Amino acid sequence: GQNIDQPTEMTATEGAIVQINCTYQTSGFNGLFWYQQHAGEAPTFLSYNVLDGLEEKGRFSSFLSRSKGYSYLLLKELQMKDSASYLCAVNDYKLSFGAGTTVTVRA
Amino acid sequence: DTGVSQNPRHKITKRGQNVTFRCDPISEHNRLYWYRQTLGQGPEFLTYFQNEAQLEKSRLLSDRFSAERPKGSFSTLEIQRTEQGDSAMYLCASSFGSTGTTLQFFGPGTRLTVL
Repeated sequence: GQNIDQPTEMTATEGAIVQINCTYQTSGFNGLFWYQQHAGEAPTFLSYNVLDGLEEKGRFSSFLSRSKGYSYLLLKELQMKDSASYLCAVNDYKLSFGAGTTVTVRA
Repeated sequence: DTGVSQNPRHKITKRGQNVTFRCDPISEHNRLYWYRQTLGQGPEFLTYFQNEAQLEKSRLLSDRFSAERPKGSFSTLEIQRTEQGDSAMYLCASSFGSTGTTLQFFGPGTRLTVL
């Protein structure tokens, strides 16, 4: 079975940094994806890790530790448009998603 | 627009009716996936095609659900005798590749409301 946990909600101030943690216990693993989803819209790809370590893409970074079953997504220099749900998904040719973390950015 | 497209975007139906959704993947993507998402939850895997072959169906997919991808291009998802519990966003995604690691691109979804 698949068990993927992430916090339900986080709130941060514009310009700040927020870290969204994701822990997983899955039967198969071919990498971990992070998607962003605005209300009523489709998930859009943010970042992907298949090996341990940090992947940096502009204001977004993602980290993976396979031995610990742990990943995080780091959002830097938060902007109002970053208010969205962030989905952690384990890849095993199909994606198994966490419930998502709703991030609210306040002015 | 060369992204994944889905039609219709919204569907309201009465309980007991049949509905069919269509997904057009990104051109030349050989893999196509269907997911279902309810409010406050992440998408849940329903089924997956590689070309025209349906390779896996989730246990979530009851006998009332059927999906096809007859020519390995577009796909349809049919729900027979809809129930109120079927109300959800139905998402289609596509990817290209033959290994377990491929990037899935999602369509805008079809929001189903069963009255």
